[in-house]
Amino acid sequence: QKEVEQNSGPLSVPEGAIASLNCTYSDRGSQSFFWYRQYSGKSPELIMSIYSNGDKEDGRFTAQLNKASQYVSLLIRDSQPSDSATYLCAAITSGTYKYIFGTGTRLKVLA
Amino acid sequence: NAGVTQTPKFQVLKTGQSMTLQCAQDMNHNSMYWYRQDPGMGLRLIYYSASEGTTDKGEVPNGYNVSRLNKREFSLRLESAAPSQTSVYFCASSGGKFYEQYFGPGTRLTVT
Repeated sequence: QKEVEQNSGPLSVPEGAIASLNCTYSDRGSQSFFWYRQYSGKSPELIMSIYSNGDKEDGRFTAQLNKASQYVSLLIRDSQPSDSATYLCAAITSGTYKYIFGTGTRLKVLA
Repeated sequence: NAGVTQTPKFQVLKTGQSMTLQCAQDMNHNSMYWYRQDPGMGLRLIYYSASEGTTDKGEVPNGYNVSRLNKREFSLRLESAAPSQTSVYFCASSGGKFYEQYFGPGTRLTVT
């Protein structure tokens, strides 16, 4: 069974700190990886995607991928209370059309 | 450019009633999806359509049917609603070189 695993949290960080969210996946064939932010009562919003080993930065967000360790992470710098949400990690294997989602990590940024 | 739209936003049904959830995307994506999300269960795939003219079952297809009406539209039908189908339903579409997936705003369905 292909799986994406995340710690459910909550992960609490003080305002201005770096929040580090982690995700592991079981399918070595997974090729694209995504981070979604979901506020309570809202739909998942795509915030980062990564396909190659290494880091990808977009504003305060950095996604990191290590295919050898089957590990994906999301760093949020200068965390703000508005970043408080559930973060979903997802993976897809090329040609399968099915996304495997983790159950999400709840992040709380404390003012 | 509206992205993915869904109607209705909210719906209350009685057990045994039927309804169709509508979804449309304007991103020219080939693939479309229906998920349900329940507290503590995460997102579960109901049905998907890899391309126009094809549909396939996901993880939890029982009690649902789908129609890929054209490239833009993908509908989900509940023929005889049950309380176990009380959930939030999300439509999504994906495309492009790296298969980025985008979600609609969701339909909150209650079956009494």
